[in-house]
Amino acid sequence: DVKVTQSSRYLVKRTGEKVFLECVQDMDHENMFWYRQDPGLGLRLIYFSYDVKMKEKGDIPEGYSVSREKKERFSLILESASTNQTSMYLCASSPRGVWGEQYFGPGTRLTVT
Amino acid sequence: QKEVEQNSGPLSVPEGAIASLNCTYSDRGSQSFFWYRQYSGKSPELIMFIYSNGDKEDGRFTAQLNKASQYVSLLIRDSQPSDSATYLCAVRAAGNKLTFGGGTRVLVKP
Repeated sequence: DVKVTQSSRYLVKRTGEKVFLECVQDMDHENMFWYRQDPGLGLRLIYFSYDVKMKEKGDIPEGYSVSREKKERFSLILESASTNQTSMYLCASSPRGVWGEQYFGPGTRLTVT
Repeated sequence: QKEVEQNSGPLSVPEGAIASLNCTYSDRGSQSFFWYRQYSGKSPELIMFIYSNGDKEDGRFTAQLNKASQYVSLLIRDSQPSDSATYLCAVRAAGNKLTFGGGTRVLVKP
């Protein structure tokens, strides 16, 4: 059974703080994704990675960066958190060459005050 | 215009009836199509995918694809209260990413 875990279920940070969101998957998947989900806007792709140390921008990468030093771990970094980054953040993974069949983690509800 | 459009609902369906969900997409080069279900407070889970024109059935779910009309739909037969959720349509065009619609909320009433 694929398991994707995220470091925090809820997180509250202040404007200007550097924020790290961690995602770990235990199924040896090559592809990992970071999305944010907002009411009325749906799921939007921030960044994805298809291999260790490889990353590609998604649809809304501004204000975010990512790190993938190990295959199982994909980190999302908010360099200087802003209130408009308050959102639900979802991590997902999928096997090599499989882009549509993604397994999602439980999500991190981030509030920036 | 959004790339993937869904009616936000809620779509209210009596128990035992058929729920019909629609999704339209703008990119004619789209290759593959996915339906995810998301229960309130939970993360999305894949329930169906379809790559070719026509129908694909899996249990009580049927996905229908019409590439000429840029339209994909999901039918849920014999709807149950446990089917109450938001259903997300996702489309893979060129490149290695999915574009999601905003989702349709389905309410199945006993």
